[in-house]
Amino acid sequence: SQQGEEDPQALSIQEGENATMNCSYKTSINNLQWYRQNSGRGLVHLILIRSNEREKHSGRLRVTLDTSKKSSSLLITASRAADTASYFCATVEEHGTNAGKSTFGDGTTLTVKP
Amino acid sequence: NAGVTQTPKFQVLKTGQSMTLQCAQDMNHEYMSWYRQDPGMGLRLIHYSVGAGITDQGEVPNGYNVSRSTTEDFPLRLLSAAPSQTSVYFCASSISGTRFYEQYFGPGTRLTVT
Repeated sequence: SQQGEEDPQALSIQEGENATMNCSYKTSINNLQWYRQNSGRGLVHLILIRSNEREKHSGRLRVTLDTSKKSSSLLITASRAADTASYFCATVEEHGTNAGKSTFGDGTTLTVKP
Repeated sequence: NAGVTQTPKFQVLKTGQSMTLQCAQDMNHEYMSWYRQDPGMGLRLIHYSVGAGITDQGEVPNGYNVSRSTTEDFPLRLLSAAPSQTSVYFCASSISGTRFYEQYFGPGTRLTVT
C-alpha cells in the first residue's frame, strides 16, 4: 500500500485562485517531498520538508508538515494555467536496511482554467 | 548534461517475450531507481540501487531483474512479459548525502504487453 495518500484526487480552479493539496502517510518519516508531473512527462522535484520543520516556502509554493497528524499540505498561490499537472508526495527511507527506498502517493490532478 | 535518459520511449511486447529497458545518467549520481506508473496512480518502486554493484528490491519487484555494473547505467530486464506489466516505466537518480531525496526522472518508457 502507498505510504502517502493525496487528497483530493482531482482539483479544478480558476487562474489566480489558490490550490491546496493534502498528503497523509502511515509511518514515521524523516522527510517528505512533493513532485510535479506534467502530462506524459517524468516527475520534477518541487520541495522537500524534513520532519523537524513545520513549514517551508519556495516561490509560490508553501508546504506544511504536521507529524502528529501524519499529514502534509502543498499550497500553490496565485495559480496559473501552467500549474496544471499532477502533484505527488513522497517519502524516502534514510537509514537502515531500506535506506533509499522511496514511496509515492497516488497524486492530485490539478487543472487551472485560464 | 543530458540528465537521465531512457530508451526506448515506446515498446510493444507479446506475452512471454523478454526485453531490457535502458537507463543512463551522466550526473555521477550514486542512487538510481526504477518505478512503474499505472493509469491514474502514483509511482511504485520496482528496484533501486544505492551504488554500483548494490541493488535491492522495492515494492513490486516480481518479474523484473536489475544490475548495476557502472555508476551511469541501471538497466531493467523483463524476464517474461505479462499483460499486467503494461505500464509507464520511469528511471530516476539522485546524489547521496543531503540532496539524497531530490530525484531526477527520465522521460519514461511506455510499455504495452499484448
